[in-house]
Amino acid sequence: AQSVTQLGSHVSVSEGALVLLRCNYSSSVPPYLFWYVQYPNQGLQLLLKYTSAATLVKGINGFEAEFKKSETSFHLTKPSAHMSDAAEYFCAVSDPKDFNKFYFGSGTKLNVKP
Amino acid sequence: DAGVTQSPTHLIKTRGQHVTLRCSPISGHKSVSWYQQVLGQGPQFIFQYYEKEERGRGNFPDRFSARQFPNYSSELNVNALLLGDSALYLCASGLAGAYEQYFGPGTRLTVT
Repeated sequence: AQSVTQLGSHVSVSEGALVLLRCNYSSSVPPYLFWYVQYPNQGLQLLLKYTSAATLVKGINGFEAEFKKSETSFHLTKPSAHMSDAAEYFCAVSDPKDFNKFYFGSGTKLNVKP
Repeated sequence: DAGVTQSPTHLIKTRGQHVTLRCSPISGHKSVSWYQQVLGQGPQFIFQYYEKEERGRGNFPDRFSARQFPNYSSELNVNALLLGDSALYLCASGLAGAYEQYFGPGTRLTVT
């Protein structure tokens, strides 16, 4: 089975600072990779996805992620944090043998300090 | 356009009871997936349906079942509820498979 590891259950940054949320996956075959954001008491919203095209993927709200096969990583970044970015972020991977199955990481809560 | 809708929003059940959760996908979406999100964890995949057929199943006991109707809406059924079934149940829809999914707001189930 696939697995996703998100390093750091809580990340705190100052407003205007760089946001870096880490995600590593386990798979010998590059799967599809996704980042979702969840605001309190809401469902998940897709930020961006990697589907074997460009390795640098741009998403909504100024976020981007880079797929690095050699490191089996798909870290999420944003150059300048905004207060509205405070939320929980989930990395997800689809099973390369069965793209109908999705596996989520345990999530990283981002806190943005004024 | 309406997004994915789920009902009810909140639900409280007693151990041993049965529960049915409902999901209406985005218009035109034929794929529906169900996830369980326990507090403090990421969502866990339960089922995926496409064109009314089960296309994927996660590691959940047989107490969990689902179906998809001709209008592509879906129900998740859980029998013999346990305290550990308390969670946020998320439904997601997509055009095909689990390639790109859009999530509903979830149903918060509390088992006492």
